[in-house]
Amino acid sequence: AQTVTQSQPEMSVQEAETVTLSCTYDTSESDYYLFWYKQPPSRQMILVIRQEAYKQQNATENRFSVNFQKAAKSFSLKISDSQLGDAAMYFCASTTSGTYKYIFGTGTRLKVLA
Amino acid sequence: GAVVSQHPSWVICKSGTSVKIECRSLDFQATTMFWYRQFPKQSLMLMATSNEGSKATYEQGVEKDKFLINHASLTLSTLTVTSAHPEDSSFYICSARDGGTSGIYYEQYFGPGTRLTVT
Repeated sequence: AQTVTQSQPEMSVQEAETVTLSCTYDTSESDYYLFWYKQPPSRQMILVIRQEAYKQQNATENRFSVNFQKAAKSFSLKISDSQLGDAAMYFCASTTSGTYKYIFGTGTRLKVLA
Repeated sequence: GAVVSQHPSWVICKSGTSVKIECRSLDFQATTMFWYRQFPKQSLMLMATSNEGSKATYEQGVEKDKFLINHASLTLSTLTVTSAHPEDSSFYICSARDGGTSGIYYEQYFGPGTRLTVT
């Protein structure tokens, strides 16, 4: 069975600083995919970044990057130059080929301080 | 591209009545659609998975007779909450997967959600 764990219920960061959100996962599958989603107060789920497990290179999207440690089953999200608009709930998720069902972590609430 | 809509965005109904929520993929064909429930300050909980033309597969603990899911076409899935009660009040989110060649096959695209309040 797949599991996704986010151990930080809440994080704070100063505007323009860098913050890292942690996520660990467990799966017995070899073909899987990992995601970070942002959920602002509107509650619309917004994809931040995705990572295919077979790719060794860490994914990056502008100010967002991941540190994918496959052996440790760790998938952390780094947000650089934090902005007020980054304040939201962040969910880590995984899926595997076959069912393509997402397993979500419990989420981390990110506060950005001006 | 890859837009998913939900209707209504907010609905209030009386206890004992049924309410239908629609989920549409606007610019792609959704091979699979998913329905989630989210309580305040909690994560998304998968309720069921539906494939076009097939019966939905419900997660353990989800009452299939209370939450009726229909995926009649490649662009529309509906969730009907039957005989709703106050404990069914929640935020319901649908998502869709583009199983074709135009999208990333393993990714889900999320609708904006529907807030259901049962009085």
